[in-house]
Amino acid sequence: AQTVTQSQPEMSVQEAETVTLSCTYDTSENNYYLFWYKQPPSRQMILVIRQEAYKQQNATENRFSVNFQKAAKSFSLKISDSQLGDTAMYFCAFQPFYGGSQGNLIFGKGTKLSVKP
Amino acid sequence: DTGVSQDPRHKITKRGQNVTFRCDPISEHNRLYWYRQTLGQGPEFLTYFQNEAQLEKSRLLSDRFSAERPKGSFSTLEIQRTEQGDSAMYLCASSFETAFSGYTFGSGTRLTVV
Repeated sequence: AQTVTQSQPEMSVQEAETVTLSCTYDTSENNYYLFWYKQPPSRQMILVIRQEAYKQQNATENRFSVNFQKAAKSFSLKISDSQLGDTAMYFCAFQPFYGGSQGNLIFGKGTKLSVKP
Repeated sequence: DTGVSQDPRHKITKRGQNVTFRCDPISEHNRLYWYRQTLGQGPEFLTYFQNEAQLEKSRLLSDRFSAERPKGSFSTLEIQRTEQGDSAMYLCASSFETAFSGYTFGSGTRLTVV
């Protein structure tokens, strides 16, 4: 069974600084996707960034970037120039891809990030 | 299209009562998912539909839970004889079957069983 582990239940960062959230996963699949989702307090979950496992190049979306280490099964999220609006729960998620069709998203337990002014 | 809609946003019910939640996905998406999220935890998969067919159910989905997606459009999730342990946020999401696009989530229905 696939599992996703986020080892940091809570983190805090000063506004404008950089923070890295950790995620590891366990799978025997070779073809899969990885995601980071953000869930602000009392608001819906939104997609932050995504990575295809067969791509070696790390994904980047503005201030958000990932460090994808396939052999180590590691997928960390770096947030640069942190903003107060980045305060949220961040979930790492794994999605297998079977023969052209997506499997279900499997989530970690989340990291609560607080950005302090 | 305004995204994934869920109704109601909040539901308080007495133990033993039945409740039903509704989800309206993005119309172009053929996949629809239900997840349950308890406080401080990540979402846990319950079930999903491809069009009108329910293709997978988690072992978390006991016999008291039933989900439908008639005509492959909106979906309902019913919980019969609710228990206090059913208190959670119930999230609906939709996606394409094959696109590398992730899920679009609704705002969820928060169920409190008293």
